[in-house]
Formats: sequence, structure tokens, C-alpha cells
Amino acid sequence: QKEVEQNSGPLSVPEGAIASLNCTYSDRGSQSFFWYRQYSGKSPELIMFIYSNGDKEDGRFTAQLNKASQYVSLLIRDSQPSDSATYLCAVTTSSASKIIFGSGTRLSIRP
Amino acid sequence: DADVTQTPRNRITKTGKRIMLECSQTKGHDRMYWYRQDPGLGLRLIYYSFDVKDINKGEISDGYSVSRQAQAKFSLSLESAIPNQTALYFCATSDSKDLWTGELFFGEGSRLTVL
Repeated sequence: QKEVEQNSGPLSVPEGAIASLNCTYSDRGSQSFFWYRQYSGKSPELIMFIYSNGDKEDGRFTAQLNKASQYVSLLIRDSQPSDSATYLCAVTTSSASKIIFGSGTRLSIRP
Repeated sequence: DADVTQTPRNRITKTGKRIMLECSQTKGHDRMYWYRQDPGLGLRLIYYSFDVKDINKGEISDGYSVSRQAQAKFSLSLESAIPNQTALYFCATSDSKDLWTGELFFGEGSRLTVL
């Protein structure tokens, strides 16, 4: 079992709709959870982090964490074409020594 | 200038050659990482370093070695390159004081092709 799992997509969402991206992780001791966005040919950049159960909102983005289910998600409201990218879920290990990434979900926003 | 600089940005080499990818940073961060990215596999951790004297293996260290020459410099070496090491390599840094926010700052990547 991979430590961090994501559906690779592609996920196609119409412009203006809500995009929902999901991630599961295997290390129950993981403390912090992150969503990175990576445009084609570019480096990943951090868009959200969360470490408490529940929701965390930042503009059009909402991260959701459920540690009991070992599940973290990212919602993007009012999706824009500029949101088309690969979204990488990442988790700090229980020892907090390293950050492990999932394989990424490719999101495409269609006009 | 970029805060995290990788050289070379692109390299084509032959099987069996020794290759070094270099990373330098001006962010003053203590932690540095090397990741490899392959299509459909996301980012996989090769090595990471918490300071000059603290170097650790990641998920896929076989076939690679690293050197932390200074706090600002972290090099990745392939002693004898093989075709399945063809990938996009990213160097990243973080500040241990920001451990729980987990923000990694990435270089622009080094694309390596081994023929």
C-alpha cells in the first residue's frame, strides 16, 4: 500500500463548478497535510495546509481533514480555467522528518 | 534570481556515466531534499538533509548518493547512470522552524535523460 494515494484523473470539471480532490494516507501518526499545485512544466507550489480535523478555508479553496478515516480532501469553488493543473497531496510522517507525496490528480477545467 | 537554483536544467547522458545535479539556495533554510518525478508517480523522495552532518535516505535512494557541502548546497550524484533514472529531479528546501506548515520551496527542476 502506498503511503499517500490519490486518483490520478484526469478530473474534468465545468467552469464555475466545484472541483473535489481526494487523498488517503496510511500512517496514522501523520500530523500535517498539504495540497500542492503543479502547472505543466513548473515546480509544485503550496496552496493549503491543514493539521486539525475539520475544514480550513482560504478564498476559493477548502481543505478537509478526517484523521479517523485517514482522509484529506481539497474543494475548489467557482473553478476557473487557471485552476487546471496537477494537485499533489502531501503528508508529514509521524516522526515529522519528511514529507511524502501522492502521485497527483490532474484537474482540467472546461469552459 | 531564484531562491533555489538547480544546475543543470537539462542533461542528456549515456548509460554508465557519472552525473551530478547541484542545488544551491539563498533562503537560509536548514533542510534540503531531493525528489524525483516520473509521470503518474508523483514526487518520490530520494534523500533529505537536516543540516550538513545529517543526511538521510528517502523512499528510493538506491543508485543515488548525495553531498551537503554547506548549508546552502546539496548535490545529488548518479555514480553510474541507467535508463530508468531518466526523470525530472527537484531540489527543495524548508525551514525546520516551519515544520508543521510543511512548505517546501522547489527549484525549477533538472530534466535528466539517460540513453
